[in-house]
Amino acid sequence: AQKVTQAQTEISVVEKEDVTLDCVYETRDTTYYLFWYKQPPSGELVFLIRRNSFDEQNEISGRYSWNFQKSTSSFNFTITASQVVDSAVYFCALDNYGQNFVFGPGTRLSVLP
Amino acid sequence: DAGITQSPRHKVTETGTPVTLRCHQTENHRYMYWYRQDPGHGLRLIHYSYGVKDTDKGEVSDGYSVSRSKTEDFLLTLESATSSQTSVYFCAISGDRFTEAFFGQGTRLTVV
Repeated sequence: AQKVTQAQTEISVVEKEDVTLDCVYETRDTTYYLFWYKQPPSGELVFLIRRNSFDEQNEISGRYSWNFQKSTSSFNFTITASQVVDSAVYFCALDNYGQNFVFGPGTRLSVLP
Repeated sequence: DAGITQSPRHKVTETGTPVTLRCHQTENHRYMYWYRQDPGHGLRLIHYSYGVKDTDKGEVSDGYSVSRSKTEDFLLTLESATSSQTSVYFCAISGDRFTEAFFGQGTRLTVV
């Protein structure tokens, strides 16, 4: 069975701080994909990144970076120099069947001015 | 933005009544999904479709049915709504296996 755990229910930081959101997944498959989505207060879900199980290179996109480690089944997300606009709920998700996403419970990030 | 429209956006209904939510896409994507979002659970898959008239159950399918008679439309029906089905429902689409899904704006359903 596949499962995604986001142990941090809520995180609060002050603007310009760096923050890391943890994601741990479980799957028996060797081929799978991992995703991060952002849900701002307006409620829509915004796709951030997709990573396949064969690519362990870290990725950076502006202030966002992702660290994928198969050895620990983790796919962590770091926001550098956080901003108030980063306040949202962030979801990590796993897809190992090619037609079904399993989402974690989400981490609510509050960035205070 | 992906062309996904959910209707209605908000609905209040009484226990025991049938309810149908509609998802319409203009992207010609093969895969369509219905999720529900509840506090502490993230998003959970209700049903999905991998083509016209091809559907399958997800994690929380009890009490729900779906239909897809056209590529662009995916309907979710609550046969007899219960208070436990009060939730926010999201439709999503994806073009191929293992690709990212794009989500609609959600439907807030309240069963009283």
